[in-house]
Amino acid sequence: DSGVTQTPKHLITATGQRVTLRCSPRSGDLSVYWYQQSLDQGLQFLIQYYNGEERAKGNILERFSAQQFPDLHSELNLSSLELGDSALYFCASSRQVAGYEQYFGPGTRLTVT
Amino acid sequence: DAKTTQPNSMESNEEEPVHLPCNHSTISGTDYIHWYRQLPSQGPEYVIHGLTSNVNNRMASLAIAEDRKSSTLILHRATLRDAAVYYCILRRDQTGANNLFFGTGTRLTVIP
Repeated sequence: DSGVTQTPKHLITATGQRVTLRCSPRSGDLSVYWYQQSLDQGLQFLIQYYNGEERAKGNILERFSAQQFPDLHSELNLSSLELGDSALYFCASSRQVAGYEQYFGPGTRLTVT
Repeated sequence: DAKTTQPNSMESNEEEPVHLPCNHSTISGTDYIHWYRQLPSQGPEYVIHGLTSNVNNRMASLAIAEDRKSSTLILHRATLRDAAVYYCILRRDQTGANNLFFGTGTRLTVIP
């Protein structure tokens, strides 16, 4: 158990819809990262937040957005969903902004039908 | 970001050492070498990282070539629980960012 929690575990929704994925980092970790894992693209970094501020952006679509709240939990919002957005979404956390170890949660499996 | 090259798959017998290679010929001086692994149906798990010197921890050892163009993750005694996809990742030490770019990794099969 990494100490990172993600909800929900599974999510099934229709194309065009909007969903919110939630992540609680390990106690004391200030950095939160979001990754997407699909069969054809592998594990891809989406975005990083540190203590409430965006610090790095990867291959995140404009339809996706994220934020980190004062209590350090983070939410990833996915809108106008397409079939290709079906994937596992992982959240990770680390102690510092440039932490050497990232601790990953169990992931949220999103299925878009 | 610099690229890494790993074999797609490897096999090992249980309780034998495993050497997982990684080539990173375009590595720069500030790139750290990280290894993560992903067990079936789980999120990635940190294994080890290093910059220039060899590193040991309770999980594994990391041997880094003198020119830093390659590295090897060493599992001293493979167990069935070590069956996973192992990712070798280069991370540039940039202040304010610590994003990891995963490649395709090596799928390790451990044979009982």
